[in-house]
Amino acid sequence: DAKTTQPNSMESNEEEPVHLPCNHSTISGTDYIHWYRQLPSQGPEYVIHGLTSNVNNRMASLAIAEDRKSSTLILHRATLRDAAVYYCILRTGFQKLVFGTGTRLLVSP
Amino acid sequence: GAVVSQHPSWVICKSGTSVKIECRSLDFQATTMFWYRQFPKQSLMLMATSNEGSKATYEQGVEKDKFLINHASLTLSTLTVTSAHPEDSSFYICSARDGQLYNQPQHFGDGTRLSIL
Repeated sequence: DAKTTQPNSMESNEEEPVHLPCNHSTISGTDYIHWYRQLPSQGPEYVIHGLTSNVNNRMASLAIAEDRKSSTLILHRATLRDAAVYYCILRTGFQKLVFGTGTRLLVSP
Repeated sequence: GAVVSQHPSWVICKSGTSVKIECRSLDFQATTMFWYRQFPKQSLMLMATSNEGSKATYEQGVEKDKFLINHASLTLSTLTVTSAHPEDSSFYICSARDGQLYNQPQHFGDGTRLSIL
C-alpha cells in the first residue's frame, strides 16, 4: 500500500482557516486520496476524497498538487468541534482502508 | 447520509466471557464490512474484512478462532470475542461499504468500548 506522511499535530484558533498537509510521494495512478477524521471516543467520519482535481464539500476542501505527490485538507473556519485526528489515506477502488497515525488538530477558542 | 449502527456502545464483563458486538447498516446494503480495533492513543488497526455470505478474511496476527465474525445478511455483521481476557480490552469499530459503488467512502459505527475485568 502506498504510504502517507502527516504531521503528528497542528494547532489552530477558532474561526481561522486550517491547512492540513499530507505527503504521498509513492501514490499510484489509480489511488484516490481520502480524508477521514475521528473525534474523541467516536468512530471515524468521512470528510472528503479526490483523484486529481480539487474538491469541495460542505465540510472541507481538498487541494491536490499537480503531480499528486501531496495534498492539503482545508477547513475554512475551524470550530471547537473540528478538534479531532485527521487521517489521509490512499485507496484504489474497493480496497480496504488502512489508517496511519494521522494529525491531531487542536483548536483553541 | 449512510448510517452504521453499532451495539452495544460499551460493555464490561468478566474474564472468560464471550462478547458479541453487532454492526448494522441502516440505509444501504453493506456487501462488505470491516472490523477495526483501537488501543488508547493509537490508530485504528484493521482486524478483518467480511463479505456477505462468505468467510471473513483476517489480517495477519489476528486469531480467527478468538474473533468470530459473521456476516449473514446485507445489513448485519457480528463480531464475537470468545473467552475474552483483559488484554482484549479495547475500542472495537465496525465499518461498512456499499459494494455496488466503486471507490465510495466507508461508513463507520460509533464503536464499542470493551472492558474485561
